[in-house]
Amino acid sequence: EPEVTQTPSHQVTQMGQEVILRCVPISNHLYFYWYRQILGQKVEFLVSFYNNEISEKSEIFDDQFSVERPDGSNFTLKIRSTKLEDSAMYFCASRWWQERNTIYFGEGSWLTVV
Amino acid sequence: DAKTTQPTSMDCAEGRAANLPCNHSTISGNEYVYWYRQIHSQGPQYIIHGLKNNETNEMASLIITEDRKSSTLILPHATLRDTAVYYCIVRVATTQGGSEKLVFGKGTKLTVNP
Repeated sequence: EPEVTQTPSHQVTQMGQEVILRCVPISNHLYFYWYRQILGQKVEFLVSFYNNEISEKSEIFDDQFSVERPDGSNFTLKIRSTKLEDSAMYFCASRWWQERNTIYFGEGSWLTVV
Repeated sequence: DAKTTQPTSMDCAEGRAANLPCNHSTISGNEYVYWYRQIHSQGPQYIIHGLKNNETNEMASLIITEDRKSSTLILPHATLRDTAVYYCIVRVATTQGGSEKLVFGKGTKLTVNP
């Protein structure tokens, strides 16, 4: 069964460093998402991406965050200058083009900022 | 905020049916009810969705009341591996490019006991 894959599974970084989290969505999917989950809290929407541009973003997704689809297969989330409060599990997700298509999630990348 | 209300936790005996309720009294006519689950801190896993008719797949059954204000997810023969947080989500349709994000609540922590 096709799946969303994410790398790295775990990354430890120092505060202020840049981090790039990578995702390979399910092939032929056209909508892409990033979510995050701080330990013990809810899964929170960050951003959605379609046709090479952001279609929606949450208040969490400030100027420190950016997304990119550099090569038609990978979908990346960049955090420019990490803060301690960015420590969380980051989930990538994707869906096919039609509205109401199921959104499928990856297994997540655990980011620890020290 | 999530448009659903779920019990915080439930217990079920292994081999018995697990019935997880969800209230969504403000659901709109064109909004679907989705169920996902999250095992430990893994990525949310899609289970099932429906609009107004009852639905069944290899994982579960979804019973939606006639007024659509509530639903029940049924795991017919719960196993220890079904221990997870179960999220009932009303699919939020946005006006911006149809990003169709999912808004997660706190879900129900289901514990399947031996």
